Amino acid sequence: NAGVTQTPKFQVLKTGQSMTLQCAQDMNHNSMYWYRQDPGMGLRLIYYSASEGTTDKGEVPNGYNVSRLNKREFSLRLESAAPSQTSVYFCASKGTSYNSPLHFGNGTRLTVT
Amino acid sequence: GQQVMQIPQYQHVQEGEDFTTYCNSSTTLSNIQWYKQRPGGHPVFLIQLVKSGEVKKQKRLTFQFGEAKKNSSLHITATQTTDVGTYFCAGNNGANNLFFGTGTRLTVIP
Repeated sequence: NAGVTQTPKFQVLKTGQSMTLQCAQDMNHNSMYWYRQDPGMGLRLIYYSASEGTTDKGEVPNGYNVSRLNKREFSLRLESAAPSQTSVYFCASKGTSYNSPLHFGNGTRLTVT
Repeated sequence: GQQVMQIPQYQHVQEGEDFTTYCNSSTTLSNIQWYKQRPGGHPVFLIQLVKSGEVKKQKRLTFQFGEAKKNSSLHITATQTTDVGTYFCAGNNGANNLFFGTGTRLTVIP
């Protein structure tokens, strides 16, 4: 039981390059989330998926796209990376109840030069 | 929109001293959750408070939820070096999203 698995752990991109961050959970959770964490800003929600087949924008969606491939997997894509997207990205999942806790992956540290 | 403010942003304490972080929401919350993130790690769920005025304890950690369900606090008694990390509150307004505070980074000086 691995919980939430994110890949890659580290990535360096040049401005304009694209990449996809992968996330998978094995807890049979319906809801999955992508957050970014920047110093002094806490965790800001990029996109979320309340259930398989649905996705919604969070607080900071610009420059990102997501795909809920199936119940287990939720990917985040940067089509044209910008230095402002340098951050640590966390994927999380949670159960159906609105007050279920979030389970986080180990994070992806992305640097855009 | 929903905002959750957390203070202080940083706190340095001598080992053995107490520590408190405060969380305030602009709107009434259905519940509040607390997470701890060790340096280089990911946030880990600590506890959830649901009822107005609720107080919960986990060993040296005491969590409170305000009567109006708009504020919360985490108090650590007699800090230890293992308490080092960033503590986040996260408010839920009854929907499927959590709104995280900016976090309080705790440093414990041995």
